[in-house]
Amino acid sequence: KAGVTQTPRYLIKTRGQQVTLSCSPISGHRSVSWYQQTPGQGLQFLFEYFSETQRNKGNFPGRFSGRQFSNSRSEMNVSTLELGDSALYLCASSLQASSYEQYFGPGTRLTVT
Amino acid sequence: QKEVEQNSGPLSVPEGAIASLNCTYSDRGSQSFFWYRQYSGKSPELIMSIYSNGDKEDGRFTAQLNKASQYVSLLIRDSQPSDSATYLCAVWEAAGNKLTFGGGTRVLVKP
Repeated sequence: KAGVTQTPRYLIKTRGQQVTLSCSPISGHRSVSWYQQTPGQGLQFLFEYFSETQRNKGNFPGRFSGRQFSNSRSEMNVSTLELGDSALYLCASSLQASSYEQYFGPGTRLTVT
Repeated sequence: QKEVEQNSGPLSVPEGAIASLNCTYSDRGSQSFFWYRQYSGKSPELIMSIYSNGDKEDGRFTAQLNKASQYVSLLIRDSQPSDSATYLCAVWEAAGNKLTFGGGTRVLVKP
């Protein structure tokens, strides 16, 4: 079974731009969660989507948003990029909403200059 | 106070020894606990999950849970250089309905 895939793997943007990241969950998994990982703050929860609905949101500004499509694929968008948004963005899929066992994709490394 | 606490390390262990990693959490309502392994430059990989008090063994890994003390640990027996990685403790928070991670413990296994 194929794992979680994320595109693109690497991205360089400038301050003020916006970016869209994509995540395809493991086949049959219906929940996608997004995380931001930085050396200083570690792994932090952004939001979770299930059945095209956002179920939960972490403590991030409104510049961070996401959506999920009917095939469970998910995208997250960051608008008006700041230098501090440079991070590894990880998505994780699980069978059900709020499911305990989450499986991570390889991540998208975003660098904001 | 962080919700999930881990010693950042590095925890240096000789090859063949037991590595012992600890994690404490603040949400008393938490019922599900996980250990992830993350190699440098890679994404976290789920290696253990534990839901009940006591020990759970899987190969060279043993997870231990004590809900009364809000404490979860991971033992790596017969440590190998390939076990050198950062180990992340994760707790499913019932209150926040989300998975919260500790900062991770870096483990170095020296031949």
